[in-house]
Amino acid sequence: AQTVTQSQPEMSVQEAETVTLSCTYDTSESDYYLFWYKQPPSRQMILVIRQEAYKQQNATENRFSVNFQKAAKSFSLKISDSQLGDAAMYFCASHNAGKSTFGDGTTLTVKP
Amino acid sequence: GAVVSQHPSWVICKSGTSVKIECRSLDFQATTMFWYRQFPKQSLMLMATSNEGSKATYEQGVEKDKFLINHASLTLSTLTVTSAHPEDSSFYICSARDLRPVPPHADTQYFGPGTRLTVL
Repeated sequence: AQTVTQSQPEMSVQEAETVTLSCTYDTSESDYYLFWYKQPPSRQMILVIRQEAYKQQNATENRFSVNFQKAAKSFSLKISDSQLGDAAMYFCASHNAGKSTFGDGTTLTVKP
Repeated sequence: GAVVSQHPSWVICKSGTSVKIECRSLDFQATTMFWYRQFPKQSLMLMATSNEGSKATYEQGVEKDKFLINHASLTLSTLTVTSAHPEDSSFYICSARDLRPVPPHADTQYFGPGTRLTVL
């Protein structure tokens, strides 16, 4: 069974600063994907970034990057130059065997 | 792109009636779609996996006779909440699995905007 743990229920960051959201996971599979999704107040789930487990290179999407530590089963999200529009709930997810498992989420507040 | 639509976006119904929610992948084909339920400020709870042309696979504790799922085409899955009761009130989200073999799409789930169901 897969498990995904987000240990930070809430985080806050000053506008223009950098914040890191933590995620750890557990899986017995060798081939899997990892994702970060953003859910703003509209509740639309938006894909932020994805990482294939077989790739050593950390994924990057503009201001968003991950620190993927496969041996430690850690997958943290770094948001640089935080903007007010980044305020949302962020979910970490792992996907394999045709199914996704989500963490409990981290609510990010961005202070102007 | 990878867009998933969901209809309706919100619905209010009387207790005992049935409600159908549609999930469509607009610009890609999805052999697999997922249905989730989400309570306020909580994570997504997988209800069932919908496979095109075959019966849905339900998660433990989800009543398949109450939550009917049909996946008749590669772009459409429907969830019908039968004999709805107030405890079924929730936010329902669908997602479609994109199998196009090129990043960033490969094996990525794209989500619909959700349906807020209120049962009176």
